[in-house]
Amino acid sequence: SSELTQDPAVSVALGQTVRITCQGDSLRSYYASWYQQKPGQAPVLVIYGENSRPSGIPDRFSGSTSGNTASLTITGAQAEDEADYYCNSRDSSDNHVIFGGGTKLTVL
Amino acid sequence: EVQLAESGGGLVQPGGSLRLSCAASGFTVSRNYMTWVRQAPGKGLEWVSVIDSGGRTYYADSVKGRFTISRDNSKNTGFLQMNSLRAEDTAVYYCARGEHDVLTAYYMSYYMDVWGKGTTVTVSS
Repeated sequence: SSELTQDPAVSVALGQTVRITCQGDSLRSYYASWYQQKPGQAPVLVIYGENSRPSGIPDRFSGSTSGNTASLTITGAQAEDEADYYCNSRDSSDNHVIFGGGTKLTVL
Repeated sequence: EVQLAESGGGLVQPGGSLRLSCAASGFTVSRNYMTWVRQAPGKGLEWVSVIDSGGRTYYADSVKGRFTISRDNSKNTGFLQMNSLRAEDTAVYYCARGEHDVLTAYYMSYYMDVWGKGTTVTVSS
């Protein structure tokens, strides 16, 4: 199976914009989905498809893809956005589901 | 309300077995993908297995041959049978509803939009 690579940690000042990236060959045929996970809680889907948000997810979260890189952008980061973020897709060669290693976002 | 609830976790000795259940409410499991994902203490999310709407099953290399995913449509419940358990299988196990969309001729999308709260599996002597 292919892999998805994320930066282990990213920080952002309160109210500023942050981009979290995810790289992998599978992203050339599958859009990434993105999950937010806070300590002790189950993951929550925040972005899926080309750039869709489930109901209840603030519009400051957005997604994009270019080649083999997907990005999750938080425009105007809030304190409650501090969490681990995971990207996910599927490997079209073997149908395995793939997760990135996760990015710990700190809001300063 | 659309929900998933896992059960069946616990403490088991190395080499032992456990069967996890994932009870769904508010939707029909047979019409969606059901995915099992685990998270070892202090680690990231790791995909374990998926069963698609056609009943096809796929496994991570780390569990292939030891774990079996299935579902009971009459009970609207999914299962993960785990045999020959190892210490490295210790984790919180989540089940999640998967959606697979073919969006264009070039792009597809796979995402998990409903997650259970997880059940803890500890493999230790």
